[in-house]
Amino acid sequence: AQSVSQHNHHVILSEAASLELGCNYSYGGTVNLFWYVQYPGQHLQLLLKYFSGDPLVKGIKGFEAEFIKSKFSFNLRKPSVQWSDTAEYFCAVSSHNQGGKLIFGQGTELSVKP
Amino acid sequence: DAGVTQSPTHLIKTRGQQVTLRCSPKSGHDTVSWYQQALGQGPQFIFQYYEEEERQRGNFPDRFSGHQFPNYSSELNVNALLLGDSALYLCASSFRDRGSYEQYFGPGTRLTVT
Repeated sequence: AQSVSQHNHHVILSEAASLELGCNYSYGGTVNLFWYVQYPGQHLQLLLKYFSGDPLVKGIKGFEAEFIKSKFSFNLRKPSVQWSDTAEYFCAVSSHNQGGKLIFGQGTELSVKP
Repeated sequence: DAGVTQSPTHLIKTRGQQVTLRCSPKSGHDTVSWYQQALGQGPQFIFQYYEEEERQRGNFPDRFSGHQFPNYSSELNVNALLLGDSALYLCASSFRDRGSYEQYFGPGTRLTVT
C-alpha cells in the first residue's frame, strides 16, 4: 500500500534560517508528488507539484523541492524562512494510475521565531 | 472566481445520528474528492466522484456514502455516527481531463460527535 512519511513533526526555526523538510513515500510505480501548506486559520493550499521532467521544482513564496527517485524522496526546501512561513506542511503522493487519490503524510508544523 | 466552498462550517451531532456535508467545486472543475482529517493527522482519502459516480474509494466503511449532482456539487453522508468520526472533512475539486492531478481544497467542515 502507498504511504508517505514526513520525518519531523514539529520544526522551530529563527527567521532567515534555511529550511528542509523531509518526505519519503512508498510506492513502486510512477507517482505525482505534492507539497501543500496550511496557514493558521486557512485551508490547504498547493505549494508545489511534480509530475514529470526536471526533478527540481519551484513553487510559490520561494519554496522548492527535489524529487530523488532512487531515494523515494521529495524534500521541501527554502533558503531563508520568514515569520509568515509559520504553518503546517503536508507532503502528498498520487499514482499515475489513480490520479485522484492523494495519500498525505502526517504533516510537519513549522514555527518561525521573529 | 469562486474557489471550493463547503457547508456547514461547524456541526455538532450525537452518536448514532446521521450527517450530510455539502461541497461546491471550483468553477470549471468536474471531479470532487472527500477527505477526513483527524486532529494532528494528514487528510485521509474517503472517495472521489466524477460524472455522478463514485470512481475511487479509500479505506472507509459503508457508513460513509456520497453523491454528485449534475452541477458537479457533492454531498458526503455519514450514518450511525461514532465518536471517532469527529474530524475536519475536506472537499477537493479538480478537472478530470488533467488527470485529476491537481486538487483544490475547501475550508472544510468541522464535525464533532458527542
